[in-house]
Parts: sequence; structure tokens; C-alpha cells
Amino acid sequence: NAGVMQNPRHLVRRRGQEARLRCSPMKGHSHVYWYRQLPEEGLKFMVYLQKENIIDESGMPKERFSAEFPKEGPSILRIQQVVRGDSAAYFCATSFSDSGNTIYFGEGSWLTVV
Amino acid sequence: GQQLNQSPQSMFIQEGEDVSMNCTSSSIFNTWLWYKQDPGEGPVLLIALYKAGELTSNGRLTAQFGITRKDSFLNISASIPSDVGIYFCAGRRDGNQFYFGTGTSLTVIP
Repeated sequence: NAGVMQNPRHLVRRRGQEARLRCSPMKGHSHVYWYRQLPEEGLKFMVYLQKENIIDESGMPKERFSAEFPKEGPSILRIQQVVRGDSAAYFCATSFSDSGNTIYFGEGSWLTVV
Repeated sequence: GQQLNQSPQSMFIQEGEDVSMNCTSSSIFNTWLWYKQDPGEGPVLLIALYKAGELTSNGRLTAQFGITRKDSFLNISASIPSDVGIYFCAGRRDGNQFYFGTGTSLTVIP
């Protein structure tokens, strides 16, 4: 999917554990968007980051969820103390800049909480 | 958050038929994007639109950026079985997040 790499592709966690999802942008892309998709539903915006900055986190749940995009390395979406309702597909998308009007998606990470 | 209304929600068509779907917004957007998602995969970009009134084609796909900047449509001509999937529209104002529609599920009957 145009070079945006997400891992793991599938993750199983027990309730109360932590989930870490990684996203490596396309080469040259410095902006990352995270989306959540529940079965049979559309893509819900969670957070928009650029290197070392959170631009918009209006879609992030107030508790247990955090995201970062460090100067070096992938962007990470972290979910603490997972609950069954966190089971979903999590997609990241990246763009060249904030004026980059096209975003490219990764293959997604499917989180299952048991 | 911003609501994008996408219709129809689902379509069942015969192979060879043309398909039309649209997306409307209560706000003005500067960019419209159309994606296709297959089961278990990430959305794949089909067409990007950047100017009001713009009409862009990609093979059998054609999309238009509405002149009001509040809507966009996607047409697929002469559908084939591999067109099956979920189609999403996405819109954006400057420098902000991309808002997605709820998707149109397309089934093509051979």
C-alpha cells in the first residue's frame, strides 16, 4: 500500500494488557494520521501528528490512548489497559506535509482483545 | 466531528453496469479523495480532486469535485467482478484532518 508499513498486522491482547501499534511512513513523509475502523463501519479519525508534535488529537479517547511520532523511528499508537471495545482495525496514513493533500494508508493492524 | 454523508450505503449490480455514488458535506472542502478498501486490507487511493468543478478519470473510474465544494461523486463504468469492495470518500479543509464518509459497499454479480 504505497510503502506505509504497519506492524503488527494482527495483535491479540487480554483485557488489561497494553497494545502498541507501529507505523512507518512512506519515504519523505513527515505527517501521520491514525484512524480506527470497527467492523462494517467507516474510518474514524483519532490523531494527526508530525515529527515530535501532535497537531490534532480531537478523535482520541481521553483515557488509555496515546500517540507519538518521535524524531527517529515509527509513529506509535499505544493503548493501555485494553478492553473488549478496543477490538478494531487501526490504520495509519501518511502525507508529505500538512499541505500534502493526499494521504496513503498502510495495511492496518487488527487488534483483538480477549 | 465533521459528518460526510455517503450514498448509497450498498449497491448490488450486474457485471457490465455503470455505478454512481456520491458524498455530501455540510462544510466546504478543498480536497476530495476517493478510496477503495478490500476485506482485510487498507484503503487504496483511487482519485484525488483539488479544485471545484474538477473532473478526473482513472481508467473506468471518474470523479468530480462539486462546484459548491460540498460534494463529490464517483462513477465506475462497465463494472467487473474485481470492482467489489467498499468505496470511501474523504474530504479536507486546509491543514486539518481528513474526514471520511461511511462507505458504499459494492457487489458485482457476474
